[in-house]
Amino acid sequence: DIQMTQSPSAMSASVGDRVTITCRASQGISNYLAWFQQKPGKVPKRLIYGASSLQSGVPSRFSGSGSGTEFTLTISSLQPEDFATYYCLQHNTYPPTFGQGTRLEIK
Amino acid sequence: QVQLVQSGAEVKKPGASVKVSCKSSGYTFTDYGFVWVRQAPGQGLEWMGWINAYNGNTNYAQNLEGRVTMTRDTSTSTVYMELRSLKSDDTAVYYCVRGGGYSTSPPGDWFDPWGQGTLLTVSS
Repeated sequence: DIQMTQSPSAMSASVGDRVTITCRASQGISNYLAWFQQKPGKVPKRLIYGASSLQSGVPSRFSGSGSGTEFTLTISSLQPEDFATYYCLQHNTYPPTFGQGTRLEIK
Repeated sequence: QVQLVQSGAEVKKPGASVKVSCKSSGYTFTDYGFVWVRQAPGQGLEWMGWINAYNGNTNYAQNLEGRVTMTRDTSTSTVYMELRSLKSDDTAVYYCVRGGGYSTSPPGDWFDPWGQGTLLTVSS
């Protein structure tokens, strides 16, 4: 199975900060990489698909980049509603595998 | 709008079986597939398997092979996930998620939207 390693596993930041979360795949996954946001007790929400395509309705402060084995999710200016856990997912190769999650907390 | 509505919470004893349903609306059911994902309390997300809504082809996670069956009913636009020989480790929220119909489906077809989740508790 392809291992997806997210870093950091947790971080704290302030409103207005620029935040970057990284996901590394143990082998190449083309652009079949998605990012999800999950708030406590809520359903995961897709933010980015195809490594860099913004989901309809998602604020433009979210962006995704990368290809091959290294991918990033960037939030350009953190808002209070962005504090959540973020997961990456590769679905290029069976079985699809998620990163372990990055918990983003308020500083 | 596209919507996935799952069946309600379940409490089962170890060794029992559970069947969770997921009814879709707002699009042509057979144009896509479905993925099932579960999340144990306080843990991350785990892919369980995929079913093609058109032809019923399936692909299951190796660690669940033999215990899980995914089926679909095209007349009601509903997919089902049955899990047998339940263990306490199966306690989790189970999500159905729309996916591509084929492995070559474009990235945008996969993992959106999600059902509201079904909490399964396995306890004696």
